[in-house]
Amino acid sequence: SQQGEEDPQALSIQEGENATMNCSYKTSINNLQWYRQNSGRGLVHLILIRSNEREKHSGRLRVTLDTSKKSSSLLITASRAADTASYFCATDRGGSYIPTFGRGTSLIVHP
Amino acid sequence: DAGITQSPRHKVTETGTPVTLRCHQTENHRYMYWYRQDPGHGLRLIHYSYGVKDTDKGEVSDGYSVSRSKTEDFLLTLESATSSQTSVYFCAISESGLINEQFFGPGTRLTVL
Repeated sequence: SQQGEEDPQALSIQEGENATMNCSYKTSINNLQWYRQNSGRGLVHLILIRSNEREKHSGRLRVTLDTSKKSSSLLITASRAADTASYFCATDRGGSYIPTFGRGTSLIVHP
Repeated sequence: DAGITQSPRHKVTETGTPVTLRCHQTENHRYMYWYRQDPGHGLRLIHYSYGVKDTDKGEVSDGYSVSRSKTEDFLLTLESATSSQTSVYFCAISESGLINEQFFGPGTRLTVL
């Protein structure tokens, strides 16, 4: 069964707006990661946040982690058409570092 | 891009035939993974390897076997392909289990008729 689940399943916004997607998981984790997948391509790693971290930034990306709520959010600020992609969270399961993926959020950014 | 390739990139085969997909890396990473991606299911782990000749099952391993005789190659075999194995297959690598940022290959689209 899926450890992590992204929400919403689909998100459509205008260029320049911020995009927020969430990930909830079920069991304790060591790390949580976010990946992007452009249509027809493999996944690309965006950011990793460890269980003892609360927030991380990378360029226009901001990731938060709330282990008490077992949830994470990915914020993309000032979105661009090129951000159109599917975004996945990947979590491990406490005792194992093997990441498992959610079903993803499909983001469409309209120019 | 990380040095990871998959072959073939596309394959159409008949039910009941054996199929082998190859993943090749030039990064010398210890961990290698096979996933399948299907609409509505996201990515699901089939098998992974944590070293030469060291492999373990993922959540959807039935009907699949793997082998890793060299650090750089990880083979996924469908002994007798079924239509339910029609999918896009991705290989991924990571430096270690603890540093588990994964790098993905371009994928193999497999169609079983």
